[in-house]
Amino acid sequence: GNSVTQMEGPVTLSEEAFLTINCTYTATGYPSLFWYVQYPGEGLQLLLKATKADDKGSNKGFEATYRKETTSFHLEKGSVQVSDSAVYFCALGNAGNMLTFGGGTRLMVKP
Amino acid sequence: GAVVSQHPSWVICKSGTSVKIECRSLDFQATTMFWYRQFPKQSLMLMATSNEGSKATYEQGVEKDKFLINHASLTLSTLTVTSAHPEDSSFYICSAKPAGGFQGQFFGPGTRLTVL
Repeated sequence: GNSVTQMEGPVTLSEEAFLTINCTYTATGYPSLFWYVQYPGEGLQLLLKATKADDKGSNKGFEATYRKETTSFHLEKGSVQVSDSAVYFCALGNAGNMLTFGGGTRLMVKP
Repeated sequence: GAVVSQHPSWVICKSGTSVKIECRSLDFQATTMFWYRQFPKQSLMLMATSNEGSKATYEQGVEKDKFLINHASLTLSTLTVTSAHPEDSSFYICSAKPAGGFQGQFFGPGTRLTVL
């Protein structure tokens, strides 16, 4: 079956530091890959997505590249801000419209 | 675009009462809606999938008589927690999939249920 594995948090960084949150997956077929962000007390917001191998999703300075050869979709940002503090979820979507989520990674950015 | 709302955002109720949570897609038609449950500091757990006009499909271990789901229209799904107990206290999040080929879901802001 499908599964998503993310690095465990919390990840604590200083403002303007470089961010990487690792995400790997196992899946049958050709899934789409997503990163969602959840701010405290809120629901999930779609951050970025990629629908096929070698696609790069990007939004708000965050990027992730769909790597089929390494079954990965790592999230990166060159310079984090305090406002980026949130929980980030990597997810895999299949043709049946189901999403499989990773466990989430809490990011804390200190000024 | 692609906004999903939930109501109420926060509810406190006494044990034994039933609570209804609404999920609406505000600017698109959702052929499929999903209901998730999230415990503190944990990931989302899919409870059920509902398609407009048909019965919901529940995940293993989720009691369908406990968590009643109705998807009456292409923009509205409701989750009713019947005879709620303290262990039902959780954060309930709905999501909606737009009609068409987009393989993703748009999420509501969540409803925090506290059962006393």
